[in-house]
Amino acid sequence: KQEVTQIPAALSVPEGENLVLNCSFTDSAIYNLQWFRQDPGKGLTSLLLIQSSQREQTSGRLNASLDKSSGRSTLYIAASQPGDSATYLCAVINDYKLSFGAGTTVTVRA
Amino acid sequence: NAGVTQTPKFQVLKTGQSMTLQCAQDMNHNSMYWYRQDPGMGLRLIYYSASEGTTDKGEVPNGYNVSRLNKREFSLRLESAAPSQTSVYFCASSEVGGLREAFFGQGTRLTVV
Repeated sequence: KQEVTQIPAALSVPEGENLVLNCSFTDSAIYNLQWFRQDPGKGLTSLLLIQSSQREQTSGRLNASLDKSSGRSTLYIAASQPGDSATYLCAVINDYKLSFGAGTTVTVRA
Repeated sequence: NAGVTQTPKFQVLKTGQSMTLQCAQDMNHNSMYWYRQDPGMGLRLIYYSASEGTTDKGEVPNGYNVSRLNKREFSLRLESAAPSQTSVYFCASSEVGGLREAFFGQGTRLTVV
């Protein structure tokens, strides 16, 4: 069974600081890995998807890396802003199923 | 540009009542999913449908049933609601091949009293 862990569970940083969010998974035979953002009381918004053959994927201030052999992915958010405050979830795609970590709740202080 | 639509958005049930959560997607995806989200536990898969005509149990299927009505629609039924089923329920869809990027609905907040 795929186990996904996200550390830390919560993070508070001053505006402008870079964010580093970690995701680890136990079964390296993944299809893809997807990062989501969730605002309080809202649904999940897809941020980035990394294919299992890729090492990283970038979108604007966001960069996600994937090391499949060690079972790790990292989401970097450059120059954080208060609007980046949210919960960030990683999900590993095996076969037809997504397995989620519990998320990292980020607070960016103005 | 609807994506994945869930109804209702909020619901309060009494213990023992039944209800059906509806989900529809307009992206022509083959695979659809039902998850529940509880504080501190992340999202857990209840049931999924890899393609029209098939359904399979996920991690926490007890107390639920599903119907893949057609390619667009996937419903989740609670036959006899229990307080332990108080949760936020999310429906999602994805392609079978290609990237398999998943798209989520806005969720149904269910309270069982």
